[in-house]
Amino acid sequence: DTGVSQDPRHKITKRGQNVTFRCDPISEHNRLYWYRQTLGQGPEFLTYFQNEAQLEKSRLLSDRFSAERPKGSFSTLEIQRTEQGDSAMYLCASSLSLSTDTQYFGPGTRLTVL
Amino acid sequence: AQKVTQAQTEISVVEKEDVTLDCVYETRDTTYYLFWYKQPPSGELVFLIRRNSFDEQNEISGRYSWNFQKSTSSFNFTITASQVVDSAVYFCALSGGSSNTGKLIFGQGTTLQVKP
Repeated sequence: DTGVSQDPRHKITKRGQNVTFRCDPISEHNRLYWYRQTLGQGPEFLTYFQNEAQLEKSRLLSDRFSAERPKGSFSTLEIQRTEQGDSAMYLCASSLSLSTDTQYFGPGTRLTVL
Repeated sequence: AQKVTQAQTEISVVEKEDVTLDCVYETRDTTYYLFWYKQPPSGELVFLIRRNSFDEQNEISGRYSWNFQKSTSSFNFTITASQVVDSAVYFCALSGGSSNTGKLIFGQGTTLQVKP
C-alpha cells in the first residue's frame, strides 16, 4: 500500500502569483487533512475533509486559500496572490474514517515566496 | 483550549546514551489521544505511537518506550541506546475527543542530535 503523496515537493514563486498543491491520500482513507509548518514550529491545522465534504477550516485559512476534494480522493490546496508570509511547508495527512484514527503524513510541499 | 508543550528545544547526546523527550499537554476533554511523530531531515512526519486517555499502560517498542502519566499530564518518550539514525525532530501531538475534527495540536518539537 502506497503512502500519502504530495506534488510538487518544492515550489518557488514570486509574490502575487497563484500556486496549487496536490495531495493523494492513502487509498480507502476517507479523511484528509492539510497542515502548515513554518520553520522551527510544529504543524498547524488548516482544514480537513470527510470524503468530498470540507468540514472545518482554521482561522489560519484566509480568503486567499481554497481547498477542494472533488471526488473524495485527491485534494488540492490553492493559494491566490501569494505573500512572503505564505512561505512554509504544507503537509497533507490522511486517516481512515474516524476522528480518532491515526493520521499518516505525506512528504510535504515546501513553498518559497520571493 | 488544548495545548502541547515540549520544553526541550534541542538535545544533543552521544551514541548509545539514553535520552528522554518531554511532553506536557493541556486539555479539558476526558477522552483524548496523544501521539508522537518523528520528522527526519527529509521532512516527512513518521508516526511512532498513539495513546488514548484511558490507557495509562507504558509501552515499549524496541529501543523506544513511552511513559504516560495523567496525574502530571505528561507523555514522555525515551530512546534507549540512541543511534545516529535517531537524529530528527520529534513532535508530540494531542487530539481531543470532544471534537469530531480529529485535528492534531502539535508541540513545537524537540530536535535530537545523536553524535557518533
